[in-house]
Amino acid sequence: SQKIEQNSEALNIQEGKTATLTCNYTNYSPAYLQWYRQDPGRGPVFLLLIRENEKEKRKERLKVTFDTTLKQSLFHITASQPADSATYLCALDMVGDMRFGAGTRLTVKP
Amino acid sequence: NAGVTQTPKFQVLKTGQSMTLQCAQDMNHNSMYWYRQDPGMGLRLIYYSASEGTTDKGEVPNGYNVSRLNKREFSLRLESAAPSQTSVYFCASSEDRESYEQYFGPGTRLTVT
Repeated sequence: SQKIEQNSEALNIQEGKTATLTCNYTNYSPAYLQWYRQDPGRGPVFLLLIRENEKEKRKERLKVTFDTTLKQSLFHITASQPADSATYLCALDMVGDMRFGAGTRLTVKP
Repeated sequence: NAGVTQTPKFQVLKTGQSMTLQCAQDMNHNSMYWYRQDPGMGLRLIYYSASEGTTDKGEVPNGYNVSRLNKREFSLRLESAAPSQTSVYFCASSEDRESYEQYFGPGTRLTVT
């Protein structure tokens, strides 16, 4: 069956460092992949979309890579700040439906 | 623009009671979705409406019904609530069903006792 795994439930890093979050998937080849941010008690907010024919996408301090051979996406936040603390979800197009990973909770310590 | 709004924000039901969760969007989006979010399991799609007048089952539709009332509104009904339906419910919309970001509402926290 299709599976989406995000590297770890929680990730703690020091302010100023680069946070790297992983999204692995199996048994499917999605046409595109998205990353969302979710703050406690709120709905997810879209951050970036990357298509299967794109290797990398950037937006300000965010960078996403998509390796269809490894079936993996990496999400980087450079020069991280305490305000970046949140849960980050990856989502894949699965036969026309979006399927979400369980998320990684990122804490950036000052 | 309010984006996606949901009512109510919180609800407690007894087993067997029914209720309807309301969702509205003001972005003129064609597609709307209902998800549930449980700890450690991520968001799971319950039902979606690709366009006005159509609805389809998602990953976990059992125990739920939906109505796409018009282009703006998409409601989710629990006919006979069960404790397994305790969850946070999110409504979302997108311009189209494919290749577009989804905009989420603030969620409804439902507890069934």
